[in-house]
Amino acid sequence: DQQVKQNSPSLSVQEGRISILNCDYTNSMFDYFLWYKKYPAEGPTFLISISSIKDKNEDGRFTVFLNKSAKHLSLHIVPSQPGDSAVYFCAASLGDYKLSFGAGTTVTVRA
Amino acid sequence: KAGVTQTPRYLIKTRGQQVTLSCSPISGHRSVSWYQQTPGQGLQFLFEYFSETQRNKGNFPGRFSGRQFSNSRSEMNVSTLELGDSALYLCASSLRASGQETQYFGPGTRLLVL
Repeated sequence: DQQVKQNSPSLSVQEGRISILNCDYTNSMFDYFLWYKKYPAEGPTFLISISSIKDKNEDGRFTVFLNKSAKHLSLHIVPSQPGDSAVYFCAASLGDYKLSFGAGTTVTVRA
Repeated sequence: KAGVTQTPRYLIKTRGQQVTLSCSPISGHRSVSWYQQTPGQGLQFLFEYFSETQRNKGNFPGRFSGRQFSNSRSEMNVSTLELGDSALYLCASSLRASGQETQYFGPGTRLLVL
């Protein structure tokens, strides 16, 4: 049962423009959300997180937005750079030591 | 500070064999979680250990087991390997993995079962 969904398997964006990645979840009890970036044959690298008590968190070029009523979160990357080309996963936690992951979105940044 | 390390990085086994994978968490981290990544199922939670105790387990058969040592290092074992066990096995560590805490991942062990 997929509780975290990333409905866009891929995203192509021009260098310097904004990348917007979306994630939906079904379990309203999730209280912590994270975004990870992954290159092939490597482990996921933590990017940014947000607690359910907030609706926005920024870290450099990365901003995560949380809309609890819609059970939706998004990651904005501004500006997009070639090194951002990777697979991005959103993950959610119930505070039970387990992360539930979405299927991932492959981002390609075009020069 | 060194990151999460996993050994071996690559492994080839045949059906019916067993395998043991190792994970060393970030220094000071006491929680270790294991995940399986496959093209079909994505990233799936296997189990989590803290202070040598398993606190949570995912929906995997009993062939998948793990343990944690007093220095927080962890091992996972898969017995009677099946072709479908071919996957990237990822280990993640966090300070306590309680509530709102970030898990940091290692590079993974790529297991191929022939």
